[in-house]
Amino acid sequence: KQEVTQIPAALSVPEGENLVLNCSFTDSAIYNLQWFRQDPGKGLTSLLLIQSSQREQTSGRLNASLDKSSGRSTLYIAASQPGDSATYLCASFYSSASKIIFGSGTRLSIRP
Amino acid sequence: GAVVSQHPSRVICKSGTSVKIECRSLDFQATTMFWYRQFPKQSLMLMATSNEGSKATYEQGVEKDKFLINHASLTLSTLTVTSAHPEDSSFYICSARQPGQSYPYSGNTIYFGEGSWLTVV
Repeated sequence: KQEVTQIPAALSVPEGENLVLNCSFTDSAIYNLQWFRQDPGKGLTSLLLIQSSQREQTSGRLNASLDKSSGRSTLYIAASQPGDSATYLCASFYSSASKIIFGSGTRLSIRP
Repeated sequence: GAVVSQHPSRVICKSGTSVKIECRSLDFQATTMFWYRQFPKQSLMLMATSNEGSKATYEQGVEKDKFLINHASLTLSTLTVTSAHPEDSSFYICSARQPGQSYPYSGNTIYFGEGSWLTVV
């Protein structure tokens, strides 16, 4: 069964800290993996997409890595800010089944 | 960038009635749209894949007669929750991809709507 797990479910850190969010997937035959941000009551905002042939992608203070062999992806947030507070979702894409599998998300709270 | 609009953002309906949610691609034509549902503190679950001009493909466990999906044009897909019950209360969100791009994607991002909160009372 294809599953995506995100740990921790919730995280609270003081402003300015660097942090890492974890995502693991059971089926390593992914096409790509994507990280999203979801604000309360809002839709999804795409943050980073990593192709299966890539090992990492960077956008501003965000860096996402992908290790297919271990079935893991991480989202690194540098110098966290209160505005980073949101739920972060990772999703794995499988072309064979034409499916997108989402993790349950990590609720991040950045304390001023 | 590409924009997907979803309407309404919030809706309250009485049990037994039907409610329609619209998903529009504003600046591109979407041959395929996807509908998801998210219960509180749970992950997004794909409900169905909507293809323009043909019947939607539903995921296992999703009642096609209850969740009617229509993709009548390249810019609009609708999800109708028929005979709604309180347990249908959830967050429904759509996404769309531009034609000509291989599934899932060849390097471009997915465009999601803002989502619709449905409360059935």
